Amino acid sequence: QLQLQESGLGLVKPSETLSLTCTVSGGSISSSSYYWGWIRQPPGQGLEWIGTIYYSGTTYYNPSLKSRVTISVDTSKNQFSLRLSSVTAADTAVYYCARRSTGYCSSTSCNYYFDYWGQGTLVTVSS
Amino acid sequence: SYELTQPPSVSVSPGQTASITCSGDKVGNKYASWYQQKPGQSPVLVIYQDTKRPSGIPERFSGSNSGNTATLTISGTQAMDEADYYCQAWDSSTYVVFGGGTKLTVL
Repeated sequence: QLQLQESGLGLVKPSETLSLTCTVSGGSISSSSYYWGWIRQPPGQGLEWIGTIYYSGTTYYNPSLKSRVTISVDTSKNQFSLRLSSVTAADTAVYYCARRSTGYCSSTSCNYYFDYWGQGTLVTVSS
Repeated sequence: SYELTQPPSVSVSPGQTASITCSGDKVGNKYASWYQQKPGQSPVLVIYQDTKRPSGIPERFSGSNSGNTATLTISGTQAMDEADYYCQAWDSSTYVVFGGGTKLTVL
């Protein structure tokens, strides 16, 4: 059974960099069939996609966060990581890692969805 | 940027049918997915590719997508279905987009 587990500091100071790692077990992050993503959820609010990475290192980022986000992958450790720079209180959220199928694309859209999620980790931005 | 709009809340009586809508410009031309999230838990995929159910999801969950509206339908709603539901699609400008979420209350 595939499992994803987020880890990292739960408290980050304003203007500093948030760093999280997702460890994948029960499956290989190097599978050609999947991408790996980060999604966050501020307290009491909805879901926001942050970005996605392929095992080769190809990345896609939310345009609204792109200037501050870096997602990387370490296939030797079966992990992928998130770095979010210059954080503010607005970045306080539960951060989830998740698996996304490679899916397929028609002329108008792509069939991308997240089928496995980690339990999430709360990151609070506060001095 | 592309946006998906959901009603903040929907109420349904036990045993009845609940419909949760997700509106977006020509969303029928995109593939919609739906997630269920119960308090304190991670989201769970309940519908993908507009109408498909992952293994383990009850048959009472179904989906449709046409025109400017995608719909999640729960037939014979049970108390355990009370949760927040999110739609999601992919757009070439914003990539992955989620709707704002709908709180389903089973009265």
